[in-house]
Amino acid sequence: ILNVEQSPQSLHVQEGDSTNFTCSFPSSNFYALHWYRWETAKSPEALFVMTLNGDEKKKGRISATLNTKEGYSYLYIKGSQPEDSATYLCAFPGSNYQLIWGAGTKLIIKP
Amino acid sequence: DVKVTQSSRYLVKRTGEKVFLECVQDMDHENMFWYRQDPGLGLRLIYFSYDVKMKEKGDIPEGYSVSREKKERFSLILESASTNQTSMYLCASSPGGAGSETQYFGPGTRLLVL
Repeated sequence: ILNVEQSPQSLHVQEGDSTNFTCSFPSSNFYALHWYRWETAKSPEALFVMTLNGDEKKKGRISATLNTKEGYSYLYIKGSQPEDSATYLCAFPGSNYQLIWGAGTKLIIKP
Repeated sequence: DVKVTQSSRYLVKRTGEKVFLECVQDMDHENMFWYRQDPGLGLRLIYFSYDVKMKEKGDIPEGYSVSREKKERFSLILESASTNQTSMYLCASSPGGAGSETQYFGPGTRLLVL
């Protein structure tokens, strides 16, 4: 059974500080790794799809790295702002068209 | 701009009632998905559909059924709602094919079964 683990489960960060959190996934038969952001009362939205070992993607102050050999991805947020408060989800393709989802990291930015 | 809509944001039903959750996407996507999300757990797949009138069970199909009569619409049916089906339900769609495809989500329906 494929398992996707995210840590920590929740995180409180002071506004202006930088932070990062982890997604661990099976390292064998890697295909892709997805990151999503889910703000309260909104739809989850895709941040990145990562496919290559060593890949680094960036969107504004948010970036992600990928290590497929050891089976982890880091999401970094530089200079956290209140609007970064959200649950960050990662997902790994399973069989057929399914994605296997981590439980998420809930990020709370304290002003 | 891509859009996935769900029929209700909040729903309160009684045990034993039949519940319909509707999802519509306007992107001509092949795949559609129904998930539920509970505290401390990842999104769990209930059912998905890769074509009109086609459906596949996900990880937790028990107590649910689905219908996809038109490409843009995917309905989730709780035949006889139970309290353990109180949850957040999310619909998503994707263009089709491989697991690298981005899924686009609706805003979710928070269902409370009393």
